[in-house]
Formats: sequence, C-alpha cells, structure tokens
Amino acid sequence: AQKITQTQPGMFVQEKEAVTLDCTYDTSDPSYGLFWYKQPSSGEMIFLIYQGSYDQQNATEGRYSLNFQKARKSANLVISASQLGDSAMYFCAMREADISNFGNEKLTFGTGTRLTIIP
Amino acid sequence: DVKVTQSSRYLVKRTGEKVFLECVQDMDHENMFWYRQDPGLGLRLIYFSYDVKMKEKGDIPEGYSVSREKKERFSLILESASTNQTSMYLCATGVYTGNEQFFGPGTRLTVL
Repeated sequence: AQKITQTQPGMFVQEKEAVTLDCTYDTSDPSYGLFWYKQPSSGEMIFLIYQGSYDQQNATEGRYSLNFQKARKSANLVISASQLGDSAMYFCAMREADISNFGNEKLTFGTGTRLTIIP
Repeated sequence: DVKVTQSSRYLVKRTGEKVFLECVQDMDHENMFWYRQDPGLGLRLIYFSYDVKMKEKGDIPEGYSVSREKKERFSLILESASTNQTSMYLCATGVYTGNEQFFGPGTRLTVL
C-alpha cells in the first residue's frame, strides 16, 4: 500500500487564488512527521513546511499552511494568494520514527502534484 | 546556509560502465541520503548513511552501492550501469534531531 498518496497529478490555478494540494498518508506509527517540498523546473527541492504528529496546531509558514486532519490521515498544503512563481512540482513526504535505529530518519515521498499558476 | 553539492548536473554514460555520483555537504550533518526521481513515481530512497562508514539500504538498492569514508561526502556507485538507471539522482542531508532534509541540485543521468 502507498504510504503517501497525492491524487492530483496536475492542477491549473488562476493567479491570486488560493490552492489546496491534497496528501493522505498511511502509518501505524504514533510518532511521525509530514513535510511538503517544492521542486521548480530548476530541479532543486525546497523545503516548505513541517507538521509533527503531536503538534496541536496546524503549521504555517508565510503563505503556506498545512491542513492537518489526523483522524483522516490527511495533510493538505494550502497556498494563499498564489503567484506565478508558485508554478512547480509539489511533494508531500512522511518521516516515521524508527526506534530500532536511532537517528535514522528516512522520508517517504508521494508522486507529486504539478501546479501551474495561470496569469 | 546548508550547502549540498553534487558532482555533475548532467551525465551521459554507456551500458556497463561504472558510474560514480558524488555528494558533498558542508554543514556537518550526520545523515545523508540518495534518492532517484522518476516521473509518476516521486522520489524513492536508494541508500542512506547515518555515520561515517555506515550505510543502510533504502527501498530500491538493487544495482547500486554507496561509500561514506568521510562525514561530508556520500558517493553513489552504479557498478554496471543499465538503461533502466536513467533517472534524476538527488542527494540529501539532515541532522538526527532536525526536521527537514536539505537537497542538492540533482544529477540527471542518462545511460545509453
């Protein structure tokens, strides 16, 4: 079974509109972390936002917020007031704690969503 | 700022060649990772290392090996390159207690 599912291969959004990128995850580990990365056409992976499984509040970083619904195992990324520079691939990822190997922090990535902002 | 560099942005090799991809980080991070990225598959973990001379298999280690002789350098080795190893390869680094991984610019490898 997929551990991270991103169901939107591509999205087109008008500039200045808000965008929600979907991410669902699957884990039985009570301690985990969820990440969103942006990958522009240049190829570099840019960290956007992090949510820990025990965090009470939804994470926010500037125009980015993470809509964390633990019971639904959902961690959607919300971009407010989209800009042309937001056009990129977006990846959701999960880190599960591996207590058998301290310091071992592997990430599992989804397949990504390609976001295109239309002027 | 963390800097993660990879030896080449683009590389073209022939089937059967031995290929070395180098990754160097300048922030003294313990963990280093090699991923490959393919369209529709996202990033998949090949190997990772949490200390010098330590290595662990990721999800798709077949056909690859790694070397970590120094803390700042993590090499990915394709012993005998094959066409199905044509891909984008991304190196990443992180600390034990940190949250994010920091990525290099990637190497786009083509095996002919």
